[in-house]
Amino acid sequence: DAGVTQSPTHLIKTRGQQVTLRCSPKSGHDTVSWYQQALGQGPQFIFQYYEEEERQRGNFPDRFSGHQFPNYSSELNVNALLLGDSALYLCASSLESADNYGYTFGSGTRLTVV
Amino acid sequence: AQSVSQHNHHVILSEAASLELGCNYSYGGTVNLFWYVQYPGQHLQLLLKYFSGDPLVKGIKGFEAEFIKSKFSFNLRKPSVQWSDTAEYFCAVNAPGSGNTGKLIFGQGTTLQVKP
Repeated sequence: DAGVTQSPTHLIKTRGQQVTLRCSPKSGHDTVSWYQQALGQGPQFIFQYYEEEERQRGNFPDRFSGHQFPNYSSELNVNALLLGDSALYLCASSLESADNYGYTFGSGTRLTVV
Repeated sequence: AQSVSQHNHHVILSEAASLELGCNYSYGGTVNLFWYVQYPGQHLQLLLKYFSGDPLVKGIKGFEAEFIKSKFSFNLRKPSVQWSDTAEYFCAVNAPGSGNTGKLIFGQGTTLQVKP
């Protein structure tokens, strides 16, 4: 059990559509980060949410947006999907006040854009 | 900008062979270093991490890594691999001071296949 729950596990979307991915952090964690892992590549940082605000952002276009709710869960939204958005999307949670870089990753959502 | 390079993309070993996976990073300052493992169908799990102190770090499942600052390297080692070590291995860095929850920069990963 990863402790971090992501849904859905798989989905297929058509180019131009919009998608929402969801993440429930590990119990006790308050920070959520999102990563994109393309096939054969390492995860790339998209953004991070803490206290319901985007705190850090990687090199991703504005089509990628997110939200964090009061219960610390988070959503990743991608608009105007491109074929190149096909990837495994990973959510990682952690505790801001902890000093041990304790990231916990979920198993990811596999997005296929056709 | 920080980057991480893993030289071995695909490694095939027989059981009981020794393992060394290379990882180099580019960053001029102090870094925190990590190795993660992703078993087939499972989530990323932390193998070990280095923040400071003894440059030889021991992790779970018999893995260890050595931080060599002069070479900007953090190679992963295991004296004797098992079939169950078949997985993808990722090296990652982040900069201290970016917060406990600062972003991780990952290498592209090394696929390890251990033959029984």
